[in-house]
Amino acid sequence: EVQLVESGGGLVQPGGSLRLSCVASGFTFTSYEMHWVRQAPGKGLEWVSYISSTGNTRHYADSVKGRFTGSRDNAKNSLYLQINSLRAEDTAVYYCAREGIAAPAYFYYMDVWGKGTTVAVSS
Amino acid sequence: EIVLTQSPGTLSLSPGERATLSCRASQSISTNYLAWYQQKPGQAPRLLIYGASHRATGIPDRFSGSWSGTDFTLTITRLEPEDFAVYYCQQYGSSLWTFGQGTTVEIK
Repeated sequence: EVQLVESGGGLVQPGGSLRLSCVASGFTFTSYEMHWVRQAPGKGLEWVSYISSTGNTRHYADSVKGRFTGSRDNAKNSLYLQINSLRAEDTAVYYCAREGIAAPAYFYYMDVWGKGTTVAVSS
Repeated sequence: EIVLTQSPGTLSLSPGERATLSCRASQSISTNYLAWYQQKPGQAPRLLIYGASHRATGIPDRFSGSWSGTDFTLTITRLEPEDFAVYYCQQYGSSLWTFGQGTTVEIK
């Protein structure tokens, strides 16, 4: 079964840090680009970051650039998001998601999602 | 940055009715770069449509996507009880991915 399982969320004070993890199973992780997407309580979806299959290319939403760092360990089938200088507005459920492949054409969509891990920023 | 504007914010319909959801892009985008998702309370989003009109694996054919210029439409031909949820469109452009603000389809 294709699966993504996030962990690492929790309650943290403003200015603090967390490292989120996402473990993939049921597919060849090294072949897929990956994303982090978050959802604040009662709000819509917000794309956070992208990482290429090799980890060499990364993109970030302006709202997190300079504070969040995405990485991956293909040997461990794992995706990570280091989040620093946390703010109240970073409070959200953080999902990891797989970028779909529909060769030979290029499409941009997220076809597999984890259940999410919750980050709460409060003093 | 391309902005996606979804309308209406809330759609109140009865089971069996047709739902038409709109997603307007602030500038021209490739149809390959537009996707639709469904999200139910407490659940992760689920991919419905990619490339504006391609149904994802396992998605019933009552779901369809279409477009005209920068206006994209998700149509649910006959609403089933499990279709009442929030729907998001998403696009890619210039190394950024963005979502619309969502449309809630609620039971009338």
